[in-house]
Amino acid sequence: DTEVTQTPKHLVMGMTNKKSLKCEQHMGHRAMYWYKQKAKKPPELMFVYSYEKLSINESVPSRFSPECPNSSLLNLHLHALQPEDSALYLCASSHEDRADTEAFFGQGTRLTVV
Amino acid sequence: SQQGEEDPQALSIQEGENATMNCSYKTSINNLQWYRQNSGRGLVHLILIRSNEREKHSGRLRVTLDTSKKSSSLLITASRAADTASYFCATGTNAGKSTFGDGTTLTVKP
Repeated sequence: DTEVTQTPKHLVMGMTNKKSLKCEQHMGHRAMYWYKQKAKKPPELMFVYSYEKLSINESVPSRFSPECPNSSLLNLHLHALQPEDSALYLCASSHEDRADTEAFFGQGTRLTVV
Repeated sequence: SQQGEEDPQALSIQEGENATMNCSYKTSINNLQWYRQNSGRGLVHLILIRSNEREKHSGRLRVTLDTSKKSSSLLITASRAADTASYFCATGTNAGKSTFGDGTTLTVKP
């Protein structure tokens, strides 16, 4: 299994809602990542988990809260988002615990904040 | 600003032609990777070239790296309509992070 699975594929939420994005991989990878990608822009790193511990937080606002329940799962909890947070959220994983190694990406969750 | 800057921003070619896209960066790197993204979906890793390598091949892909010029190029030979996508370079540094360039949008016309 060489897939990274993200759910849901699409999400529309209001600014007062709480929702979660989920990501799962079964490749035994040691590192997992969240990226944010706005339309026609490159992905921007948000968080890195290494061995289930948060190792990098790229100064992401606290309305985004990551969680790594185990080595295969990564969640991104969303609360009180703004319309400008609408974007494609990509999860990735890599065998090595460095974000500059080959990463396997999920298909993303397209988030719209209304 | 982005570590990697790519040109051209957009490229349109006929099927069977070769496509070349370039990536320039500003600081020292450990490696440079190329990814493909189809129409707002996930990224697919294409190739990684380390800072001590000059050229790498994978199927129809050829990547070069010139650390003295801080630049890399991706050549896709004998392009196919299925190669239509956005292509991103990502530069890896000692901080253990990759920074993506702005990308090149390739359209291959059948």
